[in-house]
Amino acid sequence: DVKVTQSSRYLVKRTGEKVFLECVQDMDHENMFWYRQDPGLGLRLIYFSYDVKMKEKGDIPEGYSVSREKKERFSLILESASTNQTSMYLCASTEGRVEAFFGQGTRLTVV
Amino acid sequence: GENVEQHPSTLSVQEGDSAVIKCTYSDSASNYFPWYKQELGKRPQLIIDIRSNVGEKKDQRIAVTLNKTAKHFSLHITETQPEDSAVYFCAASKNSGNTPLVFGKGTRLSVIA
Repeated sequence: DVKVTQSSRYLVKRTGEKVFLECVQDMDHENMFWYRQDPGLGLRLIYFSYDVKMKEKGDIPEGYSVSREKKERFSLILESASTNQTSMYLCASTEGRVEAFFGQGTRLTVV
Repeated sequence: GENVEQHPSTLSVQEGDSAVIKCTYSDSASNYFPWYKQELGKRPQLIIDIRSNVGEKKDQRIAVTLNKTAKHFSLHITETQPEDSAVYFCAASKNSGNTPLVFGKGTRLSVIA
């Protein structure tokens, strides 16, 4: 059973803080993704990575960065959190053109 | 890049009726089209997918159809049950393991008992 685990279910951070969201998958998947989910806007791609130390910008990368030092771990970094980054963040992993497995999500509130 | 439009945004049906959700895509190179179901408070999970070499695929009460010429695909749920109530997302991607899924904005389906 594939598991994608996000480090926190809920986070509350202050404006201007540097925030780290961690995601770990246990199926040796090459590809990992960070999506942001907002009501009425669906799942929007922030960044993705198809190999260690590789990263590609998605549709809404502004204000975010990522790190993939190990194959199983993909981190999303909010350099200076702002209130408009309050959202649900979903990590996913895939191997090739097959099913994407999602983490349980991190609901981030920036106050 | 790819753009996926999904309609309707909300859908209410009586238990036992059918539900249809439609998506269109813009990139003719896309050839993988999955559907995800997200129950309240849970993660999205794949329920069915179709590849461009197939026009229709069925799995019990769920079916997906694809019209490559018109660049649209649809999810059909028959004999709906209350447990079908969820948000459904369509997605599209190209024939490359390194190409991410582009999602529609979702459809909130409510099945009324």
